[in-house]
Amino acid sequence: SYELTQPPSVSVSPGQTARITCSGDALPKQYAYWYQQKPGQAPVLVIYRDNERPSGIPERFSGSRSGTIVTLSITGVQAEDEADYYCQSADNSATGVVFGGGTKLTVL
Amino acid sequence: EVQLVESGGGLVQPGGSLRLSCVASGFTLSAYWMSWVRQAPGKGLEWVASIKQDRSEKYYVDSVKGRFTISRDNAKNSLYLQMNSLTVEDTAVYYCARPIISSWYGADYWGQGTLVTVSS
Repeated sequence: SYELTQPPSVSVSPGQTARITCSGDALPKQYAYWYQQKPGQAPVLVIYRDNERPSGIPERFSGSRSGTIVTLSITGVQAEDEADYYCQSADNSATGVVFGGGTKLTVL
Repeated sequence: EVQLVESGGGLVQPGGSLRLSCVASGFTLSAYWMSWVRQAPGKGLEWVASIKQDRSEKYYVDSVKGRFTISRDNAKNSLYLQMNSLTVEDTAVYYCARPIISSWYGADYWGQGTLVTVSS
């Protein structure tokens, strides 16, 4: 079955840039979405269609894609950004959806 | 204001059944695909199923095919998930999610979730 691979954890100091990658063979064909989830809360969409930002999401959140890897970047990380982040995309046939395993972002 | 409110979760024995409901408000349900996503305790997100606006297309994760059925009633602004032959691996918080208007899986609105516990 199709899989998206994320690093389990990323740590950065406040004010630095955090980059979280997500790799998958179908990513060149299918859009990627990114979610932020804090403990006890439902996920929040932070990036859609690879690099678009929903209204209300701070400009420090951005997305990019290069081949089979998509990247969520958070520029000028703040303490409030500490959370789990998940990428999501569809498989090559566009009949199944998968999430990456999630990345725990720690703000030192 | 867009709202999604799930209900129907609870404790059920292995092999049992449960029907989840999601009532939508603040938008026209018939204009959107809809999805169910679950999260086992302490684990990551897992997509479960999606249904097209007119019910003509339905997709499921392999682990629930043949056991779960997604359905909707646009007139009642409601989404459903019928879950049969439940196993302990189905224990999770189940979220109802609304994909963005031009997608069938990237969700910009989520419910608060309903907990399903499968245990003897």
